[in-house]
Amino acid sequence: EAGVAQSPRYKIIEKRQSVAFWCNPISGHATLYWYQQILGQGPKLLIQFQNNGVVDDSQLPKDRFSAERLKGVDSTLKIQPAKLEDSAVYLCASSLGLAGGGYEQYFGPGTRLTVT
Amino acid sequence: KQEVTQIPAALSVPEGENLVLNCSFTDSAIYNLQWFRQDPGKGLTSLLLIQSSQREQTSGRLNASLDKSSGRSTLYIAASQPGDSATYLCAVRPGGGSNYKLTFGKGTLLTVNP
Repeated sequence: EAGVAQSPRYKIIEKRQSVAFWCNPISGHATLYWYQQILGQGPKLLIQFQNNGVVDDSQLPKDRFSAERLKGVDSTLKIQPAKLEDSAVYLCASSLGLAGGGYEQYFGPGTRLTVT
Repeated sequence: KQEVTQIPAALSVPEGENLVLNCSFTDSAIYNLQWFRQDPGKGLTSLLLIQSSQREQTSGRLNASLDKSSGRSTLYIAASQPGDSATYLCAVRPGGGSNYKLTFGKGTLLTVNP
């Protein structure tokens, strides 16, 4: 079974530029998550989708971050404009159903963003 | 607000030793607890998931225990190997309602020396 795919793996941009990350979850997984992991910290959930609907985006900085999951499969996360403090690894994860079903989350390799 | 703490922050042991990693959480109303492994530059790999009604889970040389009432979990690694070197993260999911997000600790960086 293929895992969660993410691209690009690395990205370096200057502050105030925009950037987009892509995620393809495990086939059949209804729930998709985007996490931000700053160096030395645990991952922090930014947004959670159930199919193509948003379940939780309470920690997403909506003035600069946006995410979508068209057709309930692939997802993109965008930052515009980027700030220095956005430098982090952005992890995508998926699970079979809502995490309330106890389903484990499976993580992709992440995209390491450096903002200079 | 749920807070998850992992002790120690870093641990270095010789190959073959048994070791214990600790995780504590402030709100005992959890649905489950999950232990992950993270290798440098990689994503997270799920190791063990313990439902709130369970006391422990085992997989190979790994054993995770959960004491929900005291807000503690331990990950026991038997006969450690250099390949076990990684960062180990624990995460809890809150119980009840529609709040499903995992709250992670900062992790324990484990180094197993040959």
